[in-house]
Amino acid sequence: AQKITQTQPGMFVQEKEAVTLDCTYDTSDPSYGLFWYKQPSSGEMIFLIYQGSYDQQNATEGRYSLNFQKARKSANLVISASQLGDSAMYFCAMRGFAGGTSYGKLTFGQGTILTVHP
Amino acid sequence: DSGVTQTPKHLITATGQRVTLRCSPRSGDLSVYWYQQSLDQGLQFLIQYYNGEERAKGNILERFSAQQFPDLHSELNLSSLELGDSALYFCASSATLAGVGDTQYFGPGTRLTVL
Repeated sequence: AQKITQTQPGMFVQEKEAVTLDCTYDTSDPSYGLFWYKQPSSGEMIFLIYQGSYDQQNATEGRYSLNFQKARKSANLVISASQLGDSAMYFCAMRGFAGGTSYGKLTFGQGTILTVHP
Repeated sequence: DSGVTQTPKHLITATGQRVTLRCSPRSGDLSVYWYQQSLDQGLQFLIQYYNGEERAKGNILERFSAQQFPDLHSELNLSSLELGDSALYFCASSATLAGVGDTQYFGPGTRLTVL
């Protein structure tokens, strides 16, 4: 079974500052993928960034980076230079692979609401 | 715009009724996934289809069913609706069955309200 824990129900950040959203995971799968999605108030789910469990380097996508610490089973999202448009709910998710069989489904955390103040 | 389309955007219906939600995946994507998002359960995986075949099932109720058609669009059928079925239903698509790094792109969702 896979489990994602996001311990921060809400986070506040000043515009132009960096913010870290926490995500810890639990799985016994030998390989897995970790994803972050953004859900603005309009409701759609927007893919932000992906990290594979065997990737040697932390993933980066523009202002988004993933602080991946495999031994600690954490995959924190770092947003640099926050913008007002970053205010949204952020979800961490994972997908596992075991014995040559991949599980297509994503397991999601409960989400963190980020509010960016001007 | 993810390239995944869902219709309708909103649906209001009564208890006991049946509804059909429709999803068209991104061009070239063979996998379609359905998720339910509710306040109490969060985001829950319901079912996955790959190239017309059911490949994985999650917490999908027996009153719910889905299929993927030869043109790869998918429909989620919800019957004998209950108040607790009110939720945001997402369709997502990805290119493969579930390869490493195979990203799921979500549609805008269908908000179902059961009165």
